[in-house]
Amino acid sequence: GAGVSQSPRYKVAKRGQDVALRCDPISGHVSLFWYQQALGQGPEFLTYFQNEAQLDKSGLPSDRFFAERPEGSVSTLKIQRTQQEDSAVYLCASSSTRTSGTHEQYFGPGTRLTVT
Amino acid sequence: GNSVTQMEGPVTLSEEAFLTINCTYTATGYPSLFWYVQYPGEGLQLLLKATKADDKGSNKGFEATYRKETTSFHLEKGSVQVSDSAVYFCARTSGNTPLVFGKGTRLSVIA
Repeated sequence: GAGVSQSPRYKVAKRGQDVALRCDPISGHVSLFWYQQALGQGPEFLTYFQNEAQLDKSGLPSDRFFAERPEGSVSTLKIQRTQQEDSAVYLCASSSTRTSGTHEQYFGPGTRLTVT
Repeated sequence: GNSVTQMEGPVTLSEEAFLTINCTYTATGYPSLFWYVQYPGEGLQLLLKATKADDKGSNKGFEATYRKETTSFHLEKGSVQVSDSAVYFCARTSGNTPLVFGKGTRLSVIA
């Protein structure tokens, strides 16, 4: 079946531009997560949704980062006024359970953002 | 705090060699532990997991045992193949917390 998809796969933005990254989770998955993966590092948590509710946004690095999931399926991560330090791969994952506990998170291929 | 530490790479092995990638964690309570793998050009995939002490996760010839006494979850494979070349991430989570990943270990297997 279809896995988690993300678009675009690659995005180049000039410093100061706004970007929007899309995630299509596996159909029916309740939980959705965004992670940021800097070059040579492991993914770091940004935010978590349960259906349309954003339950945890403690990992968002600044108020320039905003995420939404208005209908409990597709999610968009928006970064305003991009900075060079925002350059990273942004990963989306979904899970069929209501918690981020012991169950598997399925990851998308990621969006590589380069800010010039 | 909660963290995961894994051995730095890159690790380069010949085909059929024995592989160990060390992973230790700090955590309160009893986290669930995971190994994820990222093949070139692909997304993260769950390789194996263990949810309680002394559990052994296994998949595709890889194994890892949840060792509470040493807070470790080392990844092992008896005979690696070229197709195992990838980046391996150790990760943990407790209850409703998000996954916490190590920095990753790049493995290159040479024929």
